[in-house]
Amino acid sequence: EPEVTQTPSHQVTQMGQEVILRCVPISNHLYFYWYRQILGQKVEFLVSFYNNEISEKSEIFDDQFSVERPDGSNFTLKIRSTKLEDSAMYFCASSEWTGGWNEQFFGPGTRLTVL
Amino acid sequence: GIQVEQSPPDLILQEGANSTLRCNFSDSVNNLQWFHQNPWGQLINLFYIPSGTKQNGRLSATTVATERYSLLYISSSQTTDSGVYFCAGGANAGGTSYGKLTFGQGTILTVHP
Repeated sequence: EPEVTQTPSHQVTQMGQEVILRCVPISNHLYFYWYRQILGQKVEFLVSFYNNEISEKSEIFDDQFSVERPDGSNFTLKIRSTKLEDSAMYFCASSEWTGGWNEQFFGPGTRLTVL
Repeated sequence: GIQVEQSPPDLILQEGANSTLRCNFSDSVNNLQWFHQNPWGQLINLFYIPSGTKQNGRLSATTVATERYSLLYISSSQTTDSGVYFCAGGANAGGTSYGKLTFGQGTILTVHP
């Protein structure tokens, strides 16, 4: 069964460093998302991406964040200068787009720890 | 955006018991999903259920879209059912939303042997 994959599973970084989280969405999916979950809290939407551009972003997704689809399979989230409060689990998701709303399939997550 | 509220926040059961988890949303939704977050933090898709009823083994879900709520039923609970259950809804507000899911705070389920 097709699934969304994410790498790395864990990332530890120093405050101020840049990190890139990687995702491989399901191959025939056209919509891609990033969500995050701070420990003990609910999952929060960051950004959605379609047709090589951002469709929607939340207040959390400020200038420190960027997304890219560098090739036909990968979807990345970059945090330019990490802060302690960026420590969280980051989930990538993808869905088909047939003109309506479709089920989103989530990857296993990347746990980011900023020291 | 829509608001999603889940109840109860915590639930403790003995193995074999049945339970009902509830999700209320503030507006009509185009997407409604239930997830189980396992001890490793992974979100496991349980149901995609913007309306109607679905069943998968011991789990079933019902969404009454007109009344803006969804229910997740767990029958004959097992210790492996323990974890956090999230519902998440999405609404195409004025055609400006493109799939954003808003999650509830979750229900923490603990099943004792």
